[in-house]
Amino acid sequence: DQQVKQNSPSLSVQEGRISILNCDYTNSMFDYFLWYKKYPAEGPTFLISISSIKDKNEDGRFTVFLNKSAKHLSLHIVPSQPGDSAVYFCAAKTGTASKLTFGTGTRLQVML
Amino acid sequence: NAGVTQTPKFQVLKTGQSMTLQCAQDMNHNSMYWYRQDPGMGLRLIYYSASEGTTDKGEVPNGYNVSRLNKREFSLRLESAAPSQTSVYFCASSAGPYKSPLHFGNGTRLTVT
Repeated sequence: DQQVKQNSPSLSVQEGRISILNCDYTNSMFDYFLWYKKYPAEGPTFLISISSIKDKNEDGRFTVFLNKSAKHLSLHIVPSQPGDSAVYFCAAKTGTASKLTFGTGTRLQVML
Repeated sequence: NAGVTQTPKFQVLKTGQSMTLQCAQDMNHNSMYWYRQDPGMGLRLIYYSASEGTTDKGEVPNGYNVSRLNKREFSLRLESAAPSQTSVYFCASSAGPYKSPLHFGNGTRLTVT
């Protein structure tokens, strides 16, 4: 049972435009959410996170939105740059649990 | 600053062979993890160690064993490799259980023939 779902395997966006990556979850106990970025032949790197007590968190060009009632989060990248081309994973955890549950990833391609 | 170091980077095994994947972190983190990444499956947790001296099963522990050797090192052992264990393995560490992002190594690509 996939508790964290990324339904779009891939996304192409023009440089300078907004990229919106989506993630849905089924476990209502999740209260902390993260986005990771992964380049080929490298490990995932942490990008941005959000606690369930917030509905938005910004860090430079990256903003994560959380809609708890819909069990949905999204990552907005504005403006998109060619270096943003990577696979993006969303992840979630509950309380003080150590374990992170990951989605299947979305490959973002930013075109010149 | 090395962060999380995994060895080896690549490995090819025959079915039934054993091997140990090594992982070390230099960030003084308490928690360490082993994930595997397969196409279309995302990252799945194999085992984790919330703190030195403890280990727990994750989502897909069958066929694996782990050892938290000390605070820095967390190894993953395949006792009898199977083709289904062909995957990319990632080790990660975090400072603590809550609101601490995981820091990943660059992975070990394992092929079992």
